[in-house]
Amino acid sequence: AQSVTQPDIHITVSEGASLELRCNYSYGATPYLFWYVQSPGQGLQLLLKYFSGDTLVQGIKGFEAEFKRSQSSFNLRKPSVHWSDAAEYFCAVGSAAGNKLTFGGGTRVLVKP
Amino acid sequence: GAVVSQHPSWVICKSGTSVKIECRSLDFQATTMFWYRQFPKQSLMLMATSNEGSKATYEQGVEKDKFLINHASLTLSTLTVTSAHPEDSSFYICSARDFQGQGLETQYFGPGTRLLVL
Repeated sequence: AQSVTQPDIHITVSEGASLELRCNYSYGATPYLFWYVQSPGQGLQLLLKYFSGDTLVQGIKGFEAEFKRSQSSFNLRKPSVHWSDAAEYFCAVGSAAGNKLTFGGGTRVLVKP
Repeated sequence: GAVVSQHPSWVICKSGTSVKIECRSLDFQATTMFWYRQFPKQSLMLMATSNEGSKATYEQGVEKDKFLINHASLTLSTLTVTSAHPEDSSFYICSARDFQGQGLETQYFGPGTRLLVL
């Protein structure tokens, strides 16, 4: 069975500082990996996805993520955080066949002025 | 592109009534849609997979008679919470699968529907 772990429940970062959110997955085959962001009371917005190819993936809003098969990780990064990046971030893994997404528990990001 | 809408965005109902939530893919066809439930400060839990023209597939522990799903067209899926009770109060989110060919499916999510059952 596939699973996703986001070790950090909360992260507080100063505006302008860098951000890294950790994601570890467990999946038997080649994973399809996603990062979504959710603002309070809103649905999920896709930040980026990895299916194959280049392991460094660029997304929207200045985010990027790196797939490391040896570490079963897909960490999300942003070089300089803006106050508008305060939100809940979810990592998810899916399969091509069933296409069910399994979500991690989420990481809430707080941005200090 | 790839916009998914949900209606209503929030609903308050009395215990025992039924509530219907619509999920629409606005600019693409979605043969498959998914319904999730999210409790406060928790992650999303998949409730069911909705396939156009066929019966929905429910996850273990989800009552199919309680949560009726109809996917009558390629752009619309509905979730009906029947005989709602306070414990059904939650944030319900749908997603639609945008099939890009070569197995590169991506799910796009609606804005969610907050249900409060009194």
